Amino acid sequence: RKEVEQDPGPFNVPEGATVAFNCTYSNSASQSFFWYRQDCRKEPKLLMSVYSSGNEDGRFTAQLNRASQYISLLIRDSKLSDSATYLCVGLSSGSARQLTFGSGTQLTVLP
Amino acid sequence: NAGVTQTPKFQVLKTGQSMTLQCAQDMNHEYMSWYRQDPGMGLRLIHYSVGAGITDQGEVPNGYNVSRSTTEDFPLRLLSAAPSQTSVYFCASRGGAVRETQYFGPGTRLLVL
Repeated sequence: RKEVEQDPGPFNVPEGATVAFNCTYSNSASQSFFWYRQDCRKEPKLLMSVYSSGNEDGRFTAQLNRASQYISLLIRDSKLSDSATYLCVGLSSGSARQLTFGSGTQLTVLP
Repeated sequence: NAGVTQTPKFQVLKTGQSMTLQCAQDMNHEYMSWYRQDPGMGLRLIHYSVGAGITDQGEVPNGYNVSRSTTEDFPLRLLSAAPSQTSVYFCASRGGAVRETQYFGPGTRLLVL
């Protein structure tokens, strides 16, 4: 079983729609979680960190449920520019503290 | 401040050839990593370093070597290229704090014939 698993999609949504991505993780010792965005043939870039209390950044809301080992990303009022692959990422504990990436969820926002 | 730089951007190799993918960062980051990304597989960790002189294996280290003689540089060496190493390679770096952002280089697209 992969350490971080994502709904692979693809998600095709109209402009203005609300879309939610889910992610589960198997390592209960994971310290921190993030959502990264990757555009086609480009490097991943940090979208937002995920906090236990839930956090919002404009149209984006991320939530972490440690009891269920579940992370979510909600995008409201989708824009064409939101089309990308969204990567769920966990940071392991210990001295190595490496990031583990999910396989990504592809989103296409349609005009 | 260039961030993370990688060279070359593209490379074609023949089976059995060796080469070095270069990676450098100018942010004085402790942690540096190499990933490969294949369709449907996501990013897989090849090797990583937690500081100069310290390296360790990731999920898929076979066929690759790394060294970290300075904080800035973290080259990845392919010892004897195989078609299975055709992939996109990303170098990344970040500081040591738990919520530090990881920055990626632009990637190297490698084709092994």
